[in-house]
Amino acid sequence: EPEVTQTPSHQVTQMGQEVILRCVPISNHLYFYWYRQILGQKVEFLVSFYNNEISEKSEIFDDQFSVERPDGSNFTLKIRSTKLEDSAMYFCASSRGGKGELFFGEGSRLTVL
Amino acid sequence: AQKITQTQPGMFVQEKEAVTLDCTYDTSDPSYGLFWYKQPSSGEMIFLIYQGSYDQQNATEGRYSLNFQKARKSANLVISASQLGDSAMYFCAMVPKGYSTLTFGKGTMLLVSP
Repeated sequence: EPEVTQTPSHQVTQMGQEVILRCVPISNHLYFYWYRQILGQKVEFLVSFYNNEISEKSEIFDDQFSVERPDGSNFTLKIRSTKLEDSAMYFCASSRGGKGELFFGEGSRLTVL
Repeated sequence: AQKITQTQPGMFVQEKEAVTLDCTYDTSDPSYGLFWYKQPSSGEMIFLIYQGSYDQQNATEGRYSLNFQKARKSANLVISASQLGDSAMYFCAMVPKGYSTLTFGKGTMLLVSP
């Protein structure tokens, strides 16, 4: 069964460093998302991406964040200068259409020291 | 704006018993979708069930069913015949029609004992 894959599964970084989280969505899906979950809290929407551009973003997704689809398969989330409060599990998701079931990856845990 | 409320931070159930996880929502959109996701301790998000706001029947997927009461704005998840592997966090989420952004509740931790 096709699945969304994410790398790395866990990354530890120093405050102020740049981090890139990578995702390979399901191949015939057209909509891509990043969500995050701070430990013990609910899952929060960050950004959605369609047709090579951001279609929606939350207030969390400030100038420190960017997304890119550098080739036909990868979808990346970059955090330019990490802060302690960026420590969270980051989930990539994809969907075939603009609504309905989202398929989530297993998440990338980011720890900022 | 949408809001999801899950009032049960934790639920205990014995194996083979049924359990209901509560979810209420608030939205001004006339058309929307409701989801339940399971998050085991390993962290991944697993889709369980979907209910459209205009669906005439309550959704069912195997041991999972969604008790959808539109007038009360509730979308409770019912798990029949609980299994030890059902122990996990369960998140209710919604999305307005035409959009793709899920709004999640805070989750309910379900613990199934032998």
